[in-house]
Amino acid sequence: EPEVTQTPSHQVTQMGQEVILRCVPISNHLYFYWYRQILGQKVEFLVSFYNNEISEKSEIFDDQFSVERPDGSNFTLKIRSTKLEDSAMYFCASRTPPDGTSSYNSPLHFGNGTRLTVT
Amino acid sequence: AQKVTQAQTEISVVEKEDVTLDCVYETRDTTYYLFWYKQPPSGELVFLIRRNSFDEQNEISGRYSWNFQKSTSSFNFTITASQVVDSAVYFCALSRPQGGYSTLTFGKGTMLLVSP
Repeated sequence: EPEVTQTPSHQVTQMGQEVILRCVPISNHLYFYWYRQILGQKVEFLVSFYNNEISEKSEIFDDQFSVERPDGSNFTLKIRSTKLEDSAMYFCASRTPPDGTSSYNSPLHFGNGTRLTVT
Repeated sequence: AQKVTQAQTEISVVEKEDVTLDCVYETRDTTYYLFWYKQPPSGELVFLIRRNSFDEQNEISGRYSWNFQKSTSSFNFTITASQVVDSAVYFCALSRPQGGYSTLTFGKGTMLLVSP
């Protein structure tokens, strides 16, 4: 079964450094998402992306964050200047487009996550 | 605003016991979707079920069953004859369509510990 792939599985960085988290969504999916989960807390929406632009973002997704689909397969999340509070598990997700027969909201398929540790 | 409440932070059961995980949601939308995801110790999020707001039929899939009651805004999840492999954090989530780009609001999760 196709999977959403995220790399690296664990990234350690120093405060103030830039990090790029990488994701390869399922190949025929068109909607892409980033979520994060601070240790022991709930999963929170960051941003959704469709047709090469951000379609929705949360309050968490401030100017330090950006997303990009640099080619036909990768979807990246960049944090420009990391803070201690950015330490979390970051999940990439994707889903199929709606069609005439399937549910309007097909389920999100999540990757295994990248654990980001900011020291 | 949307909200999902999973009041049970942690549940411990012995293998073969039945267990129900509660989920209560709040939304002003008339059309919405409800989900359950499983997060095993390895950390990934595994999709279990999706339900739309117009379908209140209960669903059973093997040892898993879901009870959706719109009148009480609840979407509870029952595992029958639990197994050690069911140990995980279970998240209930709510989404609403916004031009087709729906996002999920998650509850805080319920950690289920199944001991042998």
